[in-house]
Amino acid sequence: GENVEQHPSTLSVQEGDSAVIKCTYSDSASNYFPWYKQELGKGPQLIIDIRSNVGEKKDQRIAVTLNKTAKHFSLHITETQPEDSAVYFCAAMYSGGGADGLTFGKGTHLIIQP
Amino acid sequence: ETGVTQTPRHLVMGMTNKKSLKCEQHLGHNAMYWYKQSAKKPLELMFVYSLEERVENNSVPSRFSPECPNSSHLFLHLHTLQPEDSALYLCASSPGGLNGNTIYFGEGSWLTVV
Repeated sequence: GENVEQHPSTLSVQEGDSAVIKCTYSDSASNYFPWYKQELGKGPQLIIDIRSNVGEKKDQRIAVTLNKTAKHFSLHITETQPEDSAVYFCAAMYSGGGADGLTFGKGTHLIIQP
Repeated sequence: ETGVTQTPRHLVMGMTNKKSLKCEQHLGHNAMYWYKQSAKKPLELMFVYSLEERVENNSVPSRFSPECPNSSHLFLHLHTLQPEDSALYLCASSPGGLNGNTIYFGEGSWLTVV
């Protein structure tokens, strides 16, 4: 089955700086890679996702890059703000039809220092 | 508001009790999921239902019993649980089918087994 590794487990950055979280996956058949943000006491919320037919996707201050050859993908947050503080999870799956579950990384606790 | 509603939000139960967690999705999705979130561990997929049929079990102990009466409702019946089953239980849904696997989570049910 799929295995997803996520680093770092904790990341502290100054407000206004950029943050980068990296994930690797093991199953070369995986073709869908979402990122979730989880705030304290809440469920994970999808913030951005990428499919294997593209190498990069951006949405305002958030971007995700995918390297299929190396089997890794990264989340980039620019101009970080206090409300970006949360736990971020990467995930991978093969989206081949039907209902398939995501395999998640262990999460990165992002701390934005004022 | 994510469109996926879970009740109760908090539950404390003894090891001999029987209780149920309820999930309802208002998104018109065809697939529903139960995930378990424990401290220091990745989110673990427990059950997947597609069009009300279970498609994945993931070797979950029989003290957890899912029920999906229709595509909008999902239950997790709990009986004779152990203290190590204390965790956040997350329900999720997705449209299903090719390119329809974006998964949306509810806020979760915090379960404490005493």
